[in-house]
Amino acid sequence: DADVTQTPRNRITKTGKRIMLECSQTKGHDRMYWYRQDPGLGLRLIYYSFDVKDINKGEISDGYSVSRQAQAKFSLSLESAIPNQTALYFCATSDLAAGFPVTGELFFGEGSRLTVL
Amino acid sequence: AQKITQTQPGMFVQEKEAVTLDCTYDTSDQSYGLFWYKQPSSGEMIFLIYQGSYDEQNATEGRYSLNFQKARKSANLVISASQLGDSAMYFCAMRGGTSYGKLTFGQGTILTVHP
Repeated sequence: DADVTQTPRNRITKTGKRIMLECSQTKGHDRMYWYRQDPGLGLRLIYYSFDVKDINKGEISDGYSVSRQAQAKFSLSLESAIPNQTALYFCATSDLAAGFPVTGELFFGEGSRLTVL
Repeated sequence: AQKITQTQPGMFVQEKEAVTLDCTYDTSDQSYGLFWYKQPSSGEMIFLIYQGSYDEQNATEGRYSLNFQKARKSANLVISASQLGDSAMYFCAMRGGTSYGKLTFGQGTILTVHP
Protein backbone atom coordinates (compact mmCIF):
# COMPACT_ATOMS: atom_id res chain seq x y z
CA ASP A 1 0.00 0.00 0.00
CA ALA A 2 1.08 3.56 -0.72
CA ASP A 3 2.41 5.62 2.18
CA VAL A 4 0.33 8.61 1.04
CA THR A 5 -3.10 7.70 -0.28
CA GLN A 6 -5.45 10.01 -2.12
CA THR A 7 -9.11 9.40 -2.86
CA PRO A 8 -10.67 9.63 -5.33
CA ARG A 9 -8.02 9.14 -7.99
CA ASN A 10 -10.29 10.49 -10.70
CA ARG A 11 -13.41 12.57 -10.45
CA ILE A 12 -15.63 14.31 -12.97
CA THR A 13 -18.11 16.79 -11.59
CA LYS A 14 -20.24 19.72 -12.63
CA THR A 15 -19.91 23.42 -11.98
CA GLY A 16 -21.27 24.40 -8.59
CA LYS A 17 -20.92 21.00 -6.95
CA ARG A 18 -19.07 20.50 -3.67
CA ILE A 19 -16.08 18.19 -3.94
CA MET A 20 -13.83 16.74 -1.28
CA LEU A 21 -10.45 15.18 -1.96
CA GLU A 22 -9.10 13.09 0.85
CA CYS A 23 -5.54 12.28 1.84
CA SER A 24 -4.25 9.86 4.43
CA GLN A 25 -0.69 8.92 5.26
CA THR A 26 1.08 6.19 7.16
CA LYS A 27 4.48 7.87 7.27
CA GLY A 28 3.87 9.47 10.66
CA HIS A 29 4.78 12.91 9.31
CA ASP A 30 3.43 16.04 10.94
CA ARG A 31 3.51 18.22 7.84
CA MET A 32 0.97 17.84 5.06
CA TYR A 33 0.39 19.82 1.88
CA TRP A 34 -2.05 20.17 -1.01
CA TYR A 35 -0.71 21.18 -4.42
CA ARG A 36 -2.36 21.50 -7.80
CA GLN A 37 -0.61 20.86 -11.10
CA ASP A 38 -1.53 22.66 -14.30
CA PRO A 39 0.27 22.33 -17.65
CA GLY A 40 2.99 24.95 -18.00
CA LEU A 41 2.59 26.12 -14.41
CA GLY A 42 4.17 23.30 -12.46
CA LEU A 43 2.87 22.58 -8.98
CA ARG A 44 1.40 25.35 -6.88
CA LEU A 45 0.71 25.21 -3.17
CA ILE A 46 -2.92 25.48 -2.09
CA TYR A 47 -2.80 24.84 1.67
CA TYR A 48 -0.42 23.33 4.17
CA SER A 49 -0.55 22.15 7.75
CA PHE A 50 2.36 21.65 10.13
CA ASP A 51 0.29 19.88 12.77
CA VAL A 52 -3.33 19.14 13.58
CA LYS A 53 -3.99 22.62 14.97
CA ASP A 54 -2.11 24.47 12.25
CA ILE A 55 -3.60 25.39 8.86
CA ASN A 56 -1.98 27.84 6.46
CA LYS A 57 -2.91 29.25 3.09
CA GLY A 58 -0.62 28.71 0.15
CA GLU A 59 -0.29 30.83 -2.96
CA ILE A 60 -3.62 29.80 -4.54
CA SER A 61 -6.07 29.13 -1.70
CA ASP A 62 -9.07 31.04 -3.08
CA GLY A 63 -11.98 28.69 -3.75
CA TYR A 64 -10.53 25.95 -1.56
CA SER A 65 -10.73 24.94 2.09
CA VAL A 66 -9.01 22.21 4.07
CA SER A 67 -9.49 20.17 7.20
CA ARG A 68 -6.82 18.37 9.21
CA GLN A 69 -8.89 15.72 10.91
CA ALA A 70 -5.94 13.91 12.45
CA GLN A 71 -2.18 13.77 12.10
CA ALA A 72 -2.66 11.28 9.29
CA LYS A 73 -5.58 12.89 7.45
CA PHE A 74 -5.78 16.11 5.46
CA SER A 75 -8.71 16.80 3.15
CA LEU A 76 -9.22 19.45 0.50
CA SER A 77 -12.66 20.82 -0.34
CA LEU A 78 -13.96 22.79 -3.26
CA GLU A 79 -17.17 24.34 -1.94
CA SER A 80 -18.51 25.26 -5.38
CA ALA A 81 -16.39 23.81 -8.15
CA ILE A 82 -15.65 25.82 -11.29
CA PRO A 83 -14.07 24.70 -14.57
CA ASN A 84 -10.73 26.42 -13.94
CA GLN A 85 -10.27 24.16 -10.93
CA THR A 86 -9.83 21.29 -13.37
CA ALA A 87 -6.36 20.03 -12.51
CA LEU A 88 -4.26 17.25 -11.05
CA TYR A 89 -4.18 17.57 -7.26
CA PHE A 90 -1.42 16.20 -5.09
CA CYS A 91 -1.25 15.62 -1.38
CA ALA A 92 2.23 15.47 0.10
CA THR A 93 3.91 15.02 3.46
CA SER A 94 7.27 15.90 4.92
CA ASP A 95 9.16 15.49 8.14
CA LEU A 96 12.04 17.87 8.59
CA ALA A 97 13.05 16.26 11.85
CA ALA A 98 13.81 12.87 10.35
CA GLY A 99 17.07 11.60 9.06
CA PHE A 100 20.35 13.21 8.14
CA PRO A 101 20.90 15.23 6.13
CA VAL A 102 17.62 17.00 6.72
CA THR A 103 16.27 17.68 3.29
CA GLY A 104 12.60 18.44 3.68
CA GLU A 105 11.83 16.12 0.81
CA LEU A 106 8.14 15.90 -0.01
CA PHE A 107 6.49 12.49 -0.25
CA PHE A 108 3.62 12.61 -2.70
CA GLY A 109 0.39 10.73 -3.10
CA GLU A 110 -0.49 9.37 -6.52
CA GLY A 111 -2.60 12.39 -7.41
CA SER A 112 -6.30 13.06 -7.87
CA ARG A 113 -7.39 14.13 -11.33
CA LEU A 114 -10.39 16.44 -11.10
CA THR A 115 -12.44 17.57 -14.06
CA VAL A 116 -15.09 20.25 -13.59
CA LEU A 117 -17.54 20.51 -16.47
CA ALA B 1 9.69 34.51 -1.59
CA GLN B 2 11.29 31.87 -3.75
CA LYS B 3 11.10 31.54 -7.50
CA ILE B 4 12.15 28.65 -9.73
CA THR B 5 12.54 28.97 -13.48
CA GLN B 6 12.85 26.13 -15.94
CA THR B 7 13.28 27.62 -19.40
CA GLN B 8 13.18 24.40 -21.43
CA PRO B 9 9.59 23.27 -22.03
CA GLY B 10 10.88 20.21 -23.87
CA MET B 11 14.18 18.43 -24.40
CA PHE B 12 15.20 15.54 -26.62
CA VAL B 13 18.13 13.20 -26.14
CA GLN B 14 19.42 10.07 -27.78
CA GLU B 15 19.50 6.92 -25.73
CA LYS B 16 22.83 6.48 -23.88
CA GLU B 17 23.71 10.16 -24.25
CA ALA B 18 23.88 12.65 -21.39
CA VAL B 19 21.39 15.50 -21.03
CA THR B 20 21.25 18.62 -18.89
CA LEU B 21 17.99 20.10 -17.69
CA ASP B 22 18.25 23.73 -16.66
CA CYS B 23 16.97 25.29 -13.46
CA THR B 24 17.57 28.75 -12.05
CA TYR B 25 16.29 30.00 -8.75
CA ASP B 26 15.85 33.20 -6.85
CA THR B 27 15.77 33.61 -3.10
CA SER B 28 17.00 35.99 -0.45
CA ASP B 29 17.46 33.15 2.04
CA GLN B 30 21.00 32.11 2.96
CA SER B 31 19.95 28.57 3.75
CA TYR B 32 17.85 26.67 1.25
CA GLY B 33 17.48 23.33 -0.46
CA LEU B 34 17.09 22.38 -4.09
CA PHE B 35 15.27 19.31 -5.38
CA TRP B 36 14.56 17.50 -8.60
CA TYR B 37 11.49 15.34 -9.10
CA LYS B 38 10.53 13.08 -12.00
CA GLN B 39 6.95 12.63 -13.13
CA PRO B 40 6.42 9.74 -15.58
CA SER B 41 3.34 9.59 -17.75
CA SER B 42 1.62 7.61 -14.99
CA GLY B 43 1.58 10.81 -12.95
CA GLU B 44 3.37 9.99 -9.70
CA MET B 45 6.08 12.30 -8.36
CA ILE B 46 9.42 10.61 -7.82
CA PHE B 47 12.16 12.32 -5.78
CA LEU B 48 15.50 12.18 -7.58
CA ILE B 49 18.11 14.32 -5.87
CA TYR B 50 18.70 17.03 -3.26
CA GLN B 51 21.31 19.77 -2.86
CA GLY B 52 21.67 21.92 0.24
CA SER B 53 22.85 25.49 -0.17
CA TYR B 54 25.82 24.88 2.12
CA ASP B 55 26.86 21.64 0.47
CA GLU B 56 30.24 22.21 -1.13
CA GLN B 57 30.07 19.23 -3.44
CA ASN B 58 27.53 18.62 -6.15
CA ALA B 59 24.97 15.99 -5.22
CA THR B 60 24.97 12.71 -7.11
CA GLU B 61 22.53 9.80 -7.09
CA GLY B 62 23.39 7.07 -9.54
CA ARG B 63 23.00 8.47 -13.05
CA TYR B 64 21.70 11.78 -11.71
CA SER B 65 23.89 14.66 -10.66
CA LEU B 66 23.04 18.20 -9.72
CA ASN B 67 25.32 20.88 -11.14
CA PHE B 68 25.06 23.49 -8.40
CA GLN B 69 26.43 26.93 -9.23
CA LYS B 70 25.54 29.10 -6.26
CA ALA B 71 26.81 32.41 -7.63
CA ARG B 72 24.76 31.94 -10.78
CA LYS B 73 21.79 30.60 -8.79
CA SER B 74 21.51 27.57 -10.99
CA ALA B 75 20.83 23.94 -10.11
CA ASN B 76 20.89 21.98 -13.35
CA LEU B 77 20.11 18.27 -13.42
CA VAL B 78 22.47 16.10 -15.43
CA ILE B 79 21.29 12.65 -16.48
CA SER B 80 24.07 10.46 -17.78
CA ALA B 81 23.61 7.50 -20.11
CA SER B 82 19.94 8.27 -20.82
CA GLN B 83 17.50 5.40 -20.92
CA LEU B 84 14.09 5.14 -22.57
CA GLY B 85 12.57 5.04 -19.10
CA ASP B 86 13.94 8.51 -18.41
CA SER B 87 11.27 9.98 -20.70
CA ALA B 88 9.15 12.01 -18.29
CA MET B 89 8.40 15.46 -16.93
CA TYR B 90 11.10 16.81 -14.62
CA PHE B 91 10.49 19.44 -11.98
CA CYS B 92 13.03 21.56 -10.15
CA ALA B 93 11.95 22.80 -6.72
CA MET B 94 13.34 24.67 -3.77
CA ARG B 95 12.78 24.99 -0.05
CA GLY B 96 13.68 28.33 1.42
CA GLY B 97 15.07 28.77 4.90
CA THR B 98 12.25 31.09 5.88
CA SER B 99 9.53 28.92 4.32
CA TYR B 100 10.71 25.80 6.03
CA GLY B 101 8.87 22.80 4.71
CA LYS B 102 7.13 24.30 1.70
CA LEU B 103 8.54 23.63 -1.75
CA THR B 104 8.25 26.00 -4.68
CA PHE B 105 8.24 24.29 -8.08
CA GLY B 106 9.31 25.30 -11.55
CA GLN B 107 7.18 24.87 -14.65
CA GLY B 108 8.74 21.56 -15.60
CA THR B 109 10.67 20.19 -18.58
CA ILE B 110 9.42 17.28 -20.66
CA LEU B 111 12.32 14.99 -21.57
CA THR B 112 11.98 12.57 -24.46
CA VAL B 113 14.62 9.90 -24.94
CA HIS B 114 14.90 8.56 -28.50
CA PRO B 115 16.17 5.03 -29.20
